[in-house]
Amino acid sequence: DAGVTQSPTHLIKTRGQHVTLRCSPISGHKSVSWYQQVLGQGPQFIFQYYEKEERGRGNFPDRFSARQFPNYSSELNVNALLLGDSALYLCASSLVGRDHEQFFGPGTRLTVL
Amino acid sequence: GNSVTQMEGPVTLSEEAFLTINCTYTATGYPSLFWYVQYPGEGLQLLLKATKADDKGSNKGFEATYRKETTSFHLEKGSVQVSDSAVYFCALILTGGGNKLTFGTGTQLKVEL
Repeated sequence: DAGVTQSPTHLIKTRGQHVTLRCSPISGHKSVSWYQQVLGQGPQFIFQYYEKEERGRGNFPDRFSARQFPNYSSELNVNALLLGDSALYLCASSLVGRDHEQFFGPGTRLTVL
Repeated sequence: GNSVTQMEGPVTLSEEAFLTINCTYTATGYPSLFWYVQYPGEGLQLLLKATKADDKGSNKGFEATYRKETTSFHLEKGSVQVSDSAVYFCALILTGGGNKLTFGTGTQLKVEL
């Protein structure tokens, strides 16, 4: 079975630009969460979505937004990029109510110049 | 708030040495505890977990025991291999707290021949 997939693998943007990252969960998983992992740090929770609604939000500015589609895939959008947004963005999926079993994708490496 | 503290790395060991990576936590509620592993260039993989006090999680020769009295979840392995070289993250999730994992900063393990 396919695991969590994310695209693109890498991308480079400049300050002020906008970026969209994509995530496809494991088949049957309806919950998707996004995490930001800055180099040398642990992942930080950004959002959780299931049933196309935001169910949890971490301490991130409004420049960060996300949505979930009817097929449970998800997009993370970041506007007005800052240098500090450079990080590995991880997506995790789980069955609803099975928060203890989150499966992570390989991540998207975003570099902001 | 909730937090996880891990010993700083890198930890460098010879093959077949004994491994301990310390992890302590602070939580406002009753957490479940996890160890995740991240190999170079990859996302996170769940290594083991424990959901209540005195539970022992184990996988691939690694084990950790949930110690409520010391708020700890130290990772151990009796004999490490070169293939165990990776970054290890301790994490917690609150029961009933949704999907938010709180991670430590990670401990890099290097195993040499």
